[in-house]
Amino acid sequence: DIQMTQSPSFLSASVGDRVTLSCKASQNINKYLAWYQQKLGEAPKLLIYNANSLQTGIPSRFSGSGSGTDFTLTISSLQPEDVATYFCLQHNSWNTFGAGTKLELK
Amino acid sequence: EVQLVESGGGLVQPGRSLKLSCAASGFTFSNYYMAWVRQAPKKGLEWVATISTSGSRTYYPDSVKGRFTISRDNAKSSLYLQMNSLKSEDTATYYCARHAGSPGYNDYWGQGVMVTVSS
Repeated sequence: DIQMTQSPSFLSASVGDRVTLSCKASQNINKYLAWYQQKLGEAPKLLIYNANSLQTGIPSRFSGSGSGTDFTLTISSLQPEDVATYFCLQHNSWNTFGAGTKLELK
Repeated sequence: EVQLVESGGGLVQPGRSLKLSCAASGFTFSNYYMAWVRQAPKKGLEWVATISTSGSRTYYPDSVKGRFTISRDNAKSSLYLQMNSLKSEDTATYYCARHAGSPGYNDYWGQGVMVTVSS
């Protein structure tokens, strides 16, 4: 089974900061990595799929990069509404989620 | 607008059964693989089941294989999850999700339904 490791588990940042979240796969998953945003009490929302494709309607301050085993989600300028937990998902071989990174405002 | 609305959750005793439903609208249901994903309280997300467009192929992780059955009714644009021999560790919010791409990821999710397994 493919394991997904996200880091950090918690992140505190200020409005306007550039924020980078990491996700590592235990084996090669090519480009098949998605990122989700989950706000408290809500369902997850798809941000990025295939590592770097922005889902329709998602602000351009969100971007994804990486391939193979190492992936990154970047928020170019953090906004208050970005406070949430962010999960990665490998979709190369069935689906495995990372444990999440909780993003808070400093 | 894509909408997925789950129902059927609740409190159930260990060893008993429960069936979840998901009503889909806003897209051609029969064209998409569908999935169930769950999230235990204050925990991460876990894939539970996936079903092909016709319903002829189903897929499960080992944690639920043999106990859970995913099915669909394309005429009713509905997805189901039959859960048998429930355990306390099955306690979670269960989300219905549309599968997109190949290999697939979940692009739209319902709001979720809570299942509590407890005596």
